[in-house]
Amino acid sequence: QIQLVQSGPELKKPGESVKISCKASGYTFTDYAMHWVKQVPGKGLKWMGWINTYTGKPTYADDFKGRFVFSLEASASTANLQISNLKNEDTANVFCARLGKGGLDYWGQGVMVTVSS
Amino acid sequence: DIQMTQSPSSISVSLGDRFTITCRASQDIGNYLSWYQQKPEKSPKLMIYRATNLEDGVPSRFSGSRSGSDYSLTINSLESEDTGIYFCLQHKQYPYTFGAGTKLELK
Repeated sequence: QIQLVQSGPELKKPGESVKISCKASGYTFTDYAMHWVKQVPGKGLKWMGWINTYTGKPTYADDFKGRFVFSLEASASTANLQISNLKNEDTANVFCARLGKGGLDYWGQGVMVTVSS
Repeated sequence: DIQMTQSPSSISVSLGDRFTITCRASQDIGNYLSWYQQKPEKSPKLMIYRATNLEDGVPSRFSGSRSGSDYSLTINSLESEDTGIYFCLQHKQYPYTFGAGTKLELK
């Protein structure tokens, strides 16, 4: 069955970096784009951007340009998100999600990133 | 950016009732609209794609419709498992944008 399994929760200090992984299984990884979505606890969803899993080209929403990097380990069917120079406002649950036939049809379980001094 | 105005923000509904959530798009998005249900501490779940199509495995009491720039999710005969927060998402244009969410509770 199709699954997206993300890495575990992260506790970081301001200024540090974090790398989150999203391992796909049950389908051909390069056939579907991977999107990233942020959710501050108790709040709504915010689209961060996506990566073309065939070409590796990333696209970032404006609020996620500069400190955020989407990357792939295609041989491992894994998409990664690295956030550098972490800030308190980066504290959130971060999801990866596959763009299917007409929506984000499969989601990872989410990674809680906590930034605190 | 395309704004998705979702209403209501919250509502209490009785079992068996019919209920509709609406998202209004600030620009043309065609049928590039999907609906998601999120339970506490869980990932969102796709319910409706391309405005009107029921995702596999989603109960038939859920339906989606479109009238101009207004997109609706309707739940017929509400069941207890339908509680949660519902979001719409436009994926016509970057940046993709979500509605603010509707919290559905049982009366």
